Amino acid sequence: GENVEQHPSTLSVQEGDSAVIKCTYSDSASNYFPWYKQELGKRPQLIIDIRSNVGEKKDQRIAVTLNKTAKHFSLHITETQPEDSAVYFCAATGSARQLTFGSGTQLTVLP
Amino acid sequence: EAGVVQSPRYKIIEKKQPVAFWCNPISGHNTLYWYRQNLGQGPELLIRYENEEAVDDSQLPKDRFSAERLKGVDSTLKIQPAELGDSAVYLCASSLLSDPSTQYFGPGTRLTVL
Repeated sequence: GENVEQHPSTLSVQEGDSAVIKCTYSDSASNYFPWYKQELGKRPQLIIDIRSNVGEKKDQRIAVTLNKTAKHFSLHITETQPEDSAVYFCAATGSARQLTFGSGTQLTVLP
Repeated sequence: EAGVVQSPRYKIIEKKQPVAFWCNPISGHNTLYWYRQNLGQGPELLIRYENEEAVDDSQLPKDRFSAERLKGVDSTLKIQPAELGDSAVYLCASSLLSDPSTQYFGPGTRLTVL
């Protein structure tokens, strides 16, 4: 089955700086890669996703890049703000058509 | 439009007791998922329903866990008897059958087994 690895597990940045979170996956059949943001005690919320026919996708301060050859994808947050502080999860949909999640990255944006 | 609804939000029980969680998906979403999220980890799929059929329950510990979705809408996940290691957040999610990857999560039930 699919295996998704995510790093770093924790990330602290100064407000206004950029943050990058990276994930690798194992199933070459995976074709959908969402990113979820989870604030403490709340539900995971889909913030951006990318499909395998696209290399990069951007939505305001958030962007995701995908390298299918290397089987890795990354989340980029620019001009970080304190409200960006949360746990971020990457995920991949493998051949079984189910989401496999990474272990999460605790992002802290320092004011 | 209402999102995925779950209840209860919190549950504290003693080990060996039974517990049940309820989920109502987004209206029109044929596919329903139950996930378990341990502290500091990502959600892990327990079972997936397409309408009322469980199409993937390979990760469900069947000796103590059971689930049902009798009318293809809301669903119940049960644990009997609960063990200390079952303490976790149980998340329900739903999606359209035509787009199973785009999943919307409920707020979860935080279970504490003492």
